[in-house]
Amino acid sequence: GENVEQHPSTLSVQEGDSAVIKCTYSDSASNYFPWYKQELGKRPQLIIDIRSNVGEKKDQRIAVTLNKTAKHFSLHITETQPEDSAVYFCAAPFGSGNTGKLIFGQGTTLQVKP
Amino acid sequence: KAGVTQTPRYLIKTRGQQVTLSCSPISGHRSVSWYQQTPGQGLQFLFEYFSETQRNKGNFPGRFSGRQFSNSRSEMNVSTLELGDSALYLCASSLRGLDEQFFGPGTRLTVL
Repeated sequence: GENVEQHPSTLSVQEGDSAVIKCTYSDSASNYFPWYKQELGKRPQLIIDIRSNVGEKKDQRIAVTLNKTAKHFSLHITETQPEDSAVYFCAAPFGSGNTGKLIFGQGTTLQVKP
Repeated sequence: KAGVTQTPRYLIKTRGQQVTLSCSPISGHRSVSWYQQTPGQGLQFLFEYFSETQRNKGNFPGRFSGRQFSNSRSEMNVSTLELGDSALYLCASSLRGLDEQFFGPGTRLTVL
């Protein structure tokens, strides 16, 4: 079925520590993997994405890794700051062609303690 | 460039009524996807429209429907509202679909 599993559901870290969130997906044809950050009361915003032709992508303190064989991808946040506190969602596309059908993981609530 | 807008921002309805929500995508974007967000179920895909055609559909009952106009603006309709339809309804637009989706602020629907 169309499924994206995300773990953990909650994550609490000290400021400056690293945070890792992991997702697995069920459709081997999926080829685009975005991560969204949603702050309380706000809309989800894309923070990083990766396509299946690369294994890793970095953007300052944020990185995403992809293992297509195992069908999982992970978000890594280094040197966490209080403003990183939010809910993070991974997603994967399902359906054929250039589909805009994203299936989201259940979300991870990240709390960064000062 | 203006972002994705949704109207209305808040709605209160009673069971059995119907509701229409509107989404205006970013200029030039042809794909509009709709999602339902609830605390228990997270973000669930409703449907996607591209060039006025429904391209994908999620696992929601037929009470949920939508359409897209020639200017890419999209509407979704929920008929015979149930208490469980209370949620934040988000739309997202993208150029073609499988690229960055930009979310609107959402419409908060409360069904009493």
